[in-house]
Amino acid sequence: KQEVTQIPAALSVPEGENLVLNCSFTDSAIYNLQWFRQDPGKGLTSLLLIQSSQREQTSGRLNASLDKSSGRSTLYIAASQPGDSATYLCAVQQGGSEKLVFGKGMKLTVNP
Amino acid sequence: GAVVSQHPSWVICKSGTSVKIECRSLDFQATTMFWYRQFPKQSLMLMATSNEGSKATYEQGVEKDKFLINHASLTLSTLTVTSAHPEDSSFYICSARGIAGGYEQFFGPGTRLTVL
Repeated sequence: KQEVTQIPAALSVPEGENLVLNCSFTDSAIYNLQWFRQDPGKGLTSLLLIQSSQREQTSGRLNASLDKSSGRSTLYIAASQPGDSATYLCAVQQGGSEKLVFGKGMKLTVNP
Repeated sequence: GAVVSQHPSWVICKSGTSVKIECRSLDFQATTMFWYRQFPKQSLMLMATSNEGSKATYEQGVEKDKFLINHASLTLSTLTVTSAHPEDSSFYICSARGIAGGYEQFFGPGTRLTVL
C-alpha cells in the first residue's frame, strides 16, 4: 500500500529564504507526482506535475524534482514571500490507477 | 481552462438530514470525477471514483449507502450525504479528469459540511 510522507509538518521562515520541502513515498511504481498548494479552508491549486519519466519541473520560483528509485521528491521555493504561506501537499498517482495518494501536507509560514 | 466548481461552499445541517453537494466541470467534459474527504490537519482521502453513466467505485471503508454518488452527465457529479451525523462533518473536495486524456485531476474549491 502506497504511503506518502511529508516531513516536517510545519515550517516557519523569514521572508527571502530559499526553501526545500520534502516528500517521500514507499512504492516507486508511480505514474506521476504532483505538488499542490492549499490555502486555509480552500481547495487545491496544482503547482507542478512531474511524470515518472521526468526528473524535474519548473514554474517561476518553484522547482520540483523527482527521484523515483529512492522514492523522493523535493519542492524548491526560491526567495520565499509571505504570499507563499499555505499548506503544501504532495500526491502520487500509482501506475495503472487513477487514484491519487496524498501526504498530510506541510504548513508553511513565511514571516515578513 | 480546467475549472471545477462546487456548490455549496459550506453547509450546516441537523443530524439525521441529507445534504447534496454538486461538483461541476465548467469548461471541459469530465469522464471521471473523484470525491475526497479531508478532516482537520489530515490529508485528503479518496472516497469514491465515479464515471459518467455508471456506478461509482467506493474505497474500502466508505459506506456506499450513506454517501450516494451520481454522475449523470459529463459536467456534473453529486455527492449526497444521507442521514448525516456529526462525525460526517468534514471538508469534501471533488476533482475531475477530462476526456482529452492525461491523468491530471483538476480540483474544486471544496465544501465545508458541519452537522449539528
